[in-house]
Amino acid sequence: QVQLQESGPGLVKPSQTLSLTCTVSGASMSSGGYYWSWLRQHPGKGLECIGYIYYSGSTFYSPSLKSRVTISQDTSKNQFSLKLTSVTAADTAVYYCASGSGMEFFQHWGQGTLVTVSS
Amino acid sequence: QSALTQPASVSGSPGQSITISCTGTSSDVGAYNYVSWYQQHPGKAPKLMIYDVTSRPSGLSNRFSGSKSGNTASLTISGLQAEDEADYYCSSYTTNSTLVFGGGTKLTVL
Repeated sequence: QVQLQESGPGLVKPSQTLSLTCTVSGASMSSGGYYWSWLRQHPGKGLECIGYIYYSGSTFYSPSLKSRVTISQDTSKNQFSLKLTSVTAADTAVYYCASGSGMEFFQHWGQGTLVTVSS
Repeated sequence: QSALTQPASVSGSPGQSITISCTGTSSDVGAYNYVSWYQQHPGKAPKLMIYDVTSRPSGLSNRFSGSKSGNTASLTISGLQAEDEADYYCSSYTTNSTLVFGGGTKLTVL
């Protein structure tokens, strides 16, 4: 069973970079077969897909965030990461890492981590 | 890409069946059979309930079923149980190679 766990700072100052890591267990990222994704959920709101990385290293980012987002992977540590630059209060949200055998759905989810952007 | 349209709330009594609709356009729901449904209890991560319109993840109760007609997808829950009370979100792959979500539906079990 694939398990995911997010980690990173819960508080980020405006204009700084939000950095989160997702540690994967129960599957090898380098074996292929899964898309490794980041999503977020603003307080009391719906879900938003930020982007994903495939084991080959290919990435896809949401057009609305593309200029500020980088998703990378470290297969030796079985981890993938999210960097979101120039954050504002509008980036305050619960951030989830997730995976799916298709790019269009998410079978496995981390528990989520709340990131607050505030000075 | 605009969000998919879901009713804000639906309700039903234990044992009844309910259906949640998810309306999009010919550029998302109507374009592909790539509609998914997620259940989210308060403070918890979403859980995949249906993918590719009608497929259920292994081990999931067959009380949950999905369908699609034109630009509208639907999630039906039969034999409603108290633990089904949660928020439900639909999502669809789009012709822009993005994923779009619905605004969510709060299911209340009376």
